[in-house]
Amino acid sequence: QLQLQESGPGLVKPSETLSLTCTVSGGSVSSDSFYWGWIRQSPGKGLEWIGCIYSSGNTYYNPSLKSRVTISVDTSTNQFSLKLSSVTAADTSVYYCARQKTDSGRYMDIWGTGTTVTVSS
Amino acid sequence: SYELTQPPSVSVSPGQTASITCSGDKLGNKYASWYQQRPGQSPVLVIYQDTKRPSGIPERFSGSNSGNTATLTISGTQAMDEGDYYCQAWDTSTDVVFGGGTKLTVL
Repeated sequence: QLQLQESGPGLVKPSETLSLTCTVSGGSVSSDSFYWGWIRQSPGKGLEWIGCIYSSGNTYYNPSLKSRVTISVDTSTNQFSLKLSSVTAADTSVYYCARQKTDSGRYMDIWGTGTTVTVSS
Repeated sequence: SYELTQPPSVSVSPGQTASITCSGDKLGNKYASWYQQRPGQSPVLVIYQDTKRPSGIPERFSGSNSGNTATLTISGTQAMDEGDYYCQAWDTSTDVVFGGGTKLTVL
C-alpha cells in the first residue's frame, strides 16, 4: 500500500527558505497516472493547495504562491520536494504531501501524515 | 481567481441525513471532490468526480453536483462522521481550489 511521509526542519527563520521532502513507499513517483503535490493548512484554518509535479518534471503552482515555490522530483530516490522562499510567519502551517490524480478533477487520493513548520526567529 | 464557498458549520442528529454544500461559479461544469478531516488527522478523500466513492468509504457518503452547487450527503450519520469537510475542484486558470471547510457536528 502506497504511503507518503514528509520530512524537514520544523523551525525556519523569517526570510529564509523552507525545504521539505516527501518520501514515497509502496509505489513509484514515476507512475503515469499521478501528480505529486503539496498542500498546507495554517493553524485552525482550511486547506491551501501549493502545487504539484509530474514525474517528467512538469510543475503546476498555486498562482498566489508561484513566485516563491519550487517543487522538484527525484525518481532515483522516489522522493519529491518543496522549497518555499522568503518565508514569513504567515507560512507557519502543517504541510502535507499527497498523491494527486491526473484524472478530471485532479483530486488527492492519498495523503501523508503532515509535518508542522513554524516560521520564527 | 476561482472560489468555493461552504457553510462554516452543519449540525445533525445521529441517524439523520447531513448535507454539506459547496458553491462556485458554474461548479457543475467541473468535477468536485470531498475530503473528511478528523481532528489531528490528515484529510481523507470521501468523494471524487462528483459522485464516486473510493474503496473503503461507507455507502452512506454520496455526492452530487449541478449548476453552481456541489453537495455531500451523509445518510444515517454516525458520531464517527464528525469532523471538517472540504470540497475541492479544479479550474484551468487556478488549478486546484479548496473550499473553506465545514465543521460537521453530530449532536
